[in-house]
Amino acid sequence: NAGVTQTPKFQVLKTGQSMTLQCAQDMNHEYMSWYRQDPGMGLRLIHYSVGAGITDQGEVPNGYNVSRSTTEDFPLRLLSAAPSQTSVYFCASSYRGFSYEQYFGPGTRLTVT
Amino acid sequence: AQSVAQPEDQVNVAEGNPLTVKCTYSVSGNPYLFWYVQYPNRGLQFLLKYITGDNLVKGSYGFEAEFNKSQTSFHLKKPSALVSDSALYFCAVRAHGSGNTGKLIFGQGTTLQVKP
Repeated sequence: NAGVTQTPKFQVLKTGQSMTLQCAQDMNHEYMSWYRQDPGMGLRLIHYSVGAGITDQGEVPNGYNVSRSTTEDFPLRLLSAAPSQTSVYFCASSYRGFSYEQYFGPGTRLTVT
Repeated sequence: AQSVAQPEDQVNVAEGNPLTVKCTYSVSGNPYLFWYVQYPNRGLQFLLKYITGDNLVKGSYGFEAEFNKSQTSFHLKKPSALVSDSALYFCAVRAHGSGNTGKLIFGQGTTLQVKP
């Protein structure tokens, strides 16, 4: 199994540009989540999904959209990038929810200039 | 509201010595508690978790953690540190019975530096 994969690994955007961060898992997990990691702040939940067609907001959802059309894929869209969105983004999946072990992807380092 | 605190930004220990990385938490009700490790330029990896039962939980790579309900703590320990244990460690908490609204809350992380 490849586990959780994320693309791209690195991205530089200009303010106002949009882009999609890709995330896929091959473990047939129900739950998928997006986190951002900023120095001294740990990981903060952006959006999550409890299954195909169902998404919900996390702690810091503003400026981001998600959709879940298949069990495997959970893309994160930045609508109009801002410097405050400079961060490392991690996708995670788990078997049944937040009470279970989370499997993390390798991350995407995003810089917005 | 749930919260997690890791009071030390960095812990330094000599190889072969015991290590402790501290974590305290606040939840309504009983907690699920987790430790994750992040090596440089990698995603987080699960180390261990506490749900119920024995207060001493054993996990991967020789790590263990002790749940202390009265002190609301879940400190990570290892009897003998290795240089390869040097990494960023995260504690996380979730409340029992919180359904879909009970998210996983992460601490800010503690950098462990093990010197030869």
